[in-house]
Amino acid sequence: AQRVTQPEKLLSVFKGAPVELKCNYSYSGSPELFWYVQYSRQRLQLLLRHISRESIKGFTADLNKGETSFHLKKPFAQEEDSAMYYCALRISSGSARQLTFGSGTQLTVLP
Amino acid sequence: EAGVAQSPRYKIIEKRQSVAFWCNPISGHATLYWYQQILGQGPKLLIQFQNNGVVDDSQLPKDRFSAERLKGVDSTLKIQPAKLEDSAVYLCASSFLGQLTYEQYFGPGTRLTVT
Repeated sequence: AQRVTQPEKLLSVFKGAPVELKCNYSYSGSPELFWYVQYSRQRLQLLLRHISRESIKGFTADLNKGETSFHLKKPFAQEEDSAMYYCALRISSGSARQLTFGSGTQLTVLP
Repeated sequence: EAGVAQSPRYKIIEKRQSVAFWCNPISGHATLYWYQQILGQGPKLLIQFQNNGVVDDSQLPKDRFSAERLKGVDSTLKIQPAKLEDSAVYLCASSFLGQLTYEQYFGPGTRLTVT
């Protein structure tokens, strides 16, 4: 069965410092990986997906199949980045699109 | 565009009582999902509908949970009878069938407390 692990429940960094949120997965097939973010009092929303290879709000994430990791990185953290971040793995089978989420990392960017 | 709507936003019930949650997806979204998010954990998929048919309910505790989407639009999730361990946020999400990325858009959730 697939599994997503986010080893850090809490992460604090100072404004302007680099930040890396770790995500490891276990899945025997070809994975689709995502990062979702939930800002305070807002809905869960998609931040980025690995197939897009895009940078959103300065964040990037690279899929490393050898290490089964999909870490989220930003070179200079901003206070508005403070939020709950979830890594998710999607398995598609026919019409089914099952997202398996990690337990999340609460990021706090200190002034 | 209007987002996914859910009601109620909060519900407190006693164990062994019944409760129902309602979800209205984004207009035109054929696929609808219900998730359970227990405090300190990530969301866990309970059931996925495509139009009014069930695509995946492998993680739905069918002895007490049920869900329906009769007309392929709104959906209700019911718990009967509730247990203490059902205390969680219940999230509804929807996605557009024709979109290759199948991005899921989430509602605000219903926070259930079972006492």
